[in-house]
Amino acid sequence: NAGVTQTPKFRILKIGQSMTLQCTQDMNHNYMYWYRQDPGMGLKLIYYSVGAGITDKGEVPNGYNVSRSTTEDFPLRLELAAPSQTSVYFCASSYPTTWDSSRETQYFGPGTRLLVL
Amino acid sequence: GDSVTQMEGPVTLSEEAFLTINCTYTATGYPSLFWYVQYPGEGLQLLLKATKADDKGSNKGFEATYRKETTSFHLEKGSVQVSDSAVYFCALSETLGNNRLAFGKGNQVVVIP
Repeated sequence: NAGVTQTPKFRILKIGQSMTLQCTQDMNHNYMYWYRQDPGMGLKLIYYSVGAGITDKGEVPNGYNVSRSTTEDFPLRLELAAPSQTSVYFCASSYPTTWDSSRETQYFGPGTRLLVL
Repeated sequence: GDSVTQMEGPVTLSEEAFLTINCTYTATGYPSLFWYVQYPGEGLQLLLKATKADDKGSNKGFEATYRKETTSFHLEKGSVQVSDSAVYFCALSETLGNNRLAFGKGNQVVVIP
């Protein structure tokens, strides 16, 4: 299994451009997440999904959009890139095996480094 | 809201030294607690976890005990190696919270030979 894969690994955007960060998992996990990691800070949740067709906002959703048309894929869309979106973006997934999903391990992709100039 | 606080600053220590990284949390319910590790250039991976009070998580010589009375989940290792150099994140996940994680800021650990 490849686990969680993300593309691209690195991207430079100009202010106002748009792009989609791709995330795919092959573990049949129904829960998926997008986080951003700023220097010297922990990860902040952008959006998450508990299954195909279901998405919800996290802590820092402004400037981003997501969709979940399949179990495997959870792309993150930046419509109008701003310097404040310069960050490292991590996708993660998990699979609840009991009624309490809080106990589950999240599996992270390698990240996408984005620089907005 | 839920939050996690980790001790400030990087940690630099010599090989075979004892490592402690402090983590305290604020939560309204009964969260699960995690330590994730990030090696250079990689994504995060689970190091250990504890899902209820007084549970001890352990892995690769690392340990942490879920202390509800002090709302803490401190990470310890008795004898570190150069290969333990990484960033360590404490995190919590609230019951019925869809497994959303709240992270601390992380601690850079550098082990010198």
